[in-house]
Order: sequence, then structure tokens, then C-alpha cells
Amino acid sequence: QSVLTQPPSVSAAPGQKVTISCSGSNSDIGDNYVSWYQQVPGTAPKLLIYDNSKRPSGIPDRFSGSKSGTSATLGITGLQPGDEADYYCGTWDSILSAGVFGAGTKVTVL
Amino acid sequence: EVQLMESGGDLVQPGGSLRLSCVASGFTFGTSAMSWVRQGPGKGLEWVSGIISSGARTYYADSVKGRFSISRDNSKNTLYLQMNSLRAEDTAVYYCAKDRTTVTFDFWGQGTLVTVSS
Repeated sequence: QSVLTQPPSVSAAPGQKVTISCSGSNSDIGDNYVSWYQQVPGTAPKLLIYDNSKRPSGIPDRFSGSKSGTSATLGITGLQPGDEADYYCGTWDSILSAGVFGAGTKVTVL
Repeated sequence: EVQLMESGGDLVQPGGSLRLSCVASGFTFGTSAMSWVRQGPGKGLEWVSGIISSGARTYYADSVKGRFSISRDNSKNTLYLQMNSLRAEDTAVYYCAKDRTTVTFDFWGQGTLVTVSS
């Protein structure tokens, strides 16, 4: 059972927007930065967002992140077929002194 | 170009041991924290263990504490994961990842498969 809670799946038509929530607690999201990863099945994860809302070079601005209190959100606008993947949130738990991930959200482009 | 190349994955019996290695290139390994993250078949990502750049501090998930040991050899640009008392639930692809900051992994290896089965 994952420490961080994500919806199992979200879907939308091409060009539309989806948001993925990530809910935690005071000791993880509430006390640390959140990062987001995209994983196409069969491949290694890729960093999409770090420090809650920053994008690494090469990540399009269609991807955005935010954090409020003990929750974080990933937004994807202008949805494309290539965005179909699993998305994970991750952070540090200050009490466990361990990294934690959400269970992942599958994005489907209708 | 940053590259992380894991090796050492294998089929091992329950109770057995295995050592994974991850050779890094394309960045200053000796100044980077590193981690191991695993993914069981059909499952999500699970952080396993992390180590700071000097190797002086290590961290473990409760699920592997006391059984796994992370270490590094900065002279060889290599990260290790010694896995003992392996269980069926340890079956997973194990990824080596470079820490940009705490639990922010900006580069990942391709993964190595560990299967624990009799």
C-alpha cells in the first residue's frame, strides 16, 4: 500500500487537459518537495517535475506541477497520444527517513 | 551524456543473496547522491534505498531494512546493492537512479531483473 494516494486512472480526448492528484501527509508532502515521473510501460521512468513545479530542460510547458499543504497536482494540457503512460508522484518522508511514491495513475488519451 | 548501467540481476532461490551493481558515467559520480528504486511485476515504483555522495549516510525502506545494504565506490563510479535473505516479494526490476535532490531522480538506468523463486 503506497503512502501517497493517486487516482488509478484518468482520461481525456486529444487536446484536452487532465489533472492528477497526489495526497499525502504532514511528514511527506507537507514537509518536502514533490517530484513527478512519467513511465511508458517497459521503459525507465522519466523526471517530469521537480521541486513541486519546476520542469527539467526538455520537458514541454504542457506539463505543470503545484503543491498546496499535503497535496500536489500534475497538470497536462494539450493532451497528445504520446502522453499515454503511467505517472507517479514521489517525495521524502521526514519521519520514516525514506522515499515514498504514489501507486501511479494511468493516463489514457481517448 | 549521463549513463547508468545496472547489472547483477538473476534468478535466485528464497533466502538467497545477490549483489547488484550500477556503473555511472557522464557526470561527477562522487558528488551525487544515488538511490535504488524497484518495480514489481505489474506494480508501481517503490523506493528501496539511498546513499549520500560520500557514502557516509544510507537510508532504507522498511521492507528491506536489515536485509539489503547500499554502498558505493567513488573511485570506480559504481553503486552497489547487496541483497540478502531474499523473498518472493523482492522480485522486481531494480533501477539505479541519480538523485538531483532528495527523491528527485533526474537520471535512471535501464533496470536489472531480480527474480526470487524456487
